[in-house]
Amino acid sequence: DAGVIQSPRHEVTEMGQEVTLRCKPISGHDYLFWYRQTMMRGLELLIYFNNNVPIDDSGMPEDRFSAKMPNASFSTLKIQPSEPRDSAVYFCASSLRTGGNTGELFFGEGSRLTVL
Amino acid sequence: AQKVTQAQTEISVVEKEDVTLDCVYETRDTTYYLFWYKQPPSGELVFLIRRNSFDEQNEISGRYSWNFQKSTSSFNFTITASQVVDSAVYFCALSEHNQGGKLIFGQGTELSVKP
Repeated sequence: DAGVIQSPRHEVTEMGQEVTLRCKPISGHDYLFWYRQTMMRGLELLIYFNNNVPIDDSGMPEDRFSAKMPNASFSTLKIQPSEPRDSAVYFCASSLRTGGNTGELFFGEGSRLTVL
Repeated sequence: AQKVTQAQTEISVVEKEDVTLDCVYETRDTTYYLFWYKQPPSGELVFLIRRNSFDEQNEISGRYSWNFQKSTSSFNFTITASQVVDSAVYFCALSEHNQGGKLIFGQGTELSVKP
């Protein structure tokens, strides 16, 4: 079975440019999460969706960040305009909640973003 | 508020040594889940284990074992007879039952196993 698929794996852009990161969750999973990893802040949750609906976006740093999930098999995280401090590895993860129990999160390989 | 603390930032051992990674958590929920993930140098996050708050049985999987103690809010991870391939950053994480499965991660412990 395919795991969580993220693209691009690496992105280098200049300050002020728009960046779009993409994620395809594991088929059948009902939760999708976007995390950001930096040396300073570690792994922090940005936003998560349940059945394509955003549930908690309190971790989104500011209005420059937006995330969408138009269907069960695709999500995007957009940064516009990008800034050097957005440089990080962005992980997408999905999980399946069964019987009310939290399942483990399956992570993609991450998208490493560098903003110059 | 929920919080996960991994006090050990870095640990270095020699191959075949046993090593324990500490994890202490805080939560007000009575139902919650604890996880360990491994992040090797290649960067992906690999799931190792999940425990729910009602199951305090220790678990062993090969050279890996986990000790869950609610009395001390700890969920420690031991690698027996460590190997160079165990070198990675290990993350402990907490999920509260009513939080939709979102994980709160500790800062991670970087384990270096030298030959």
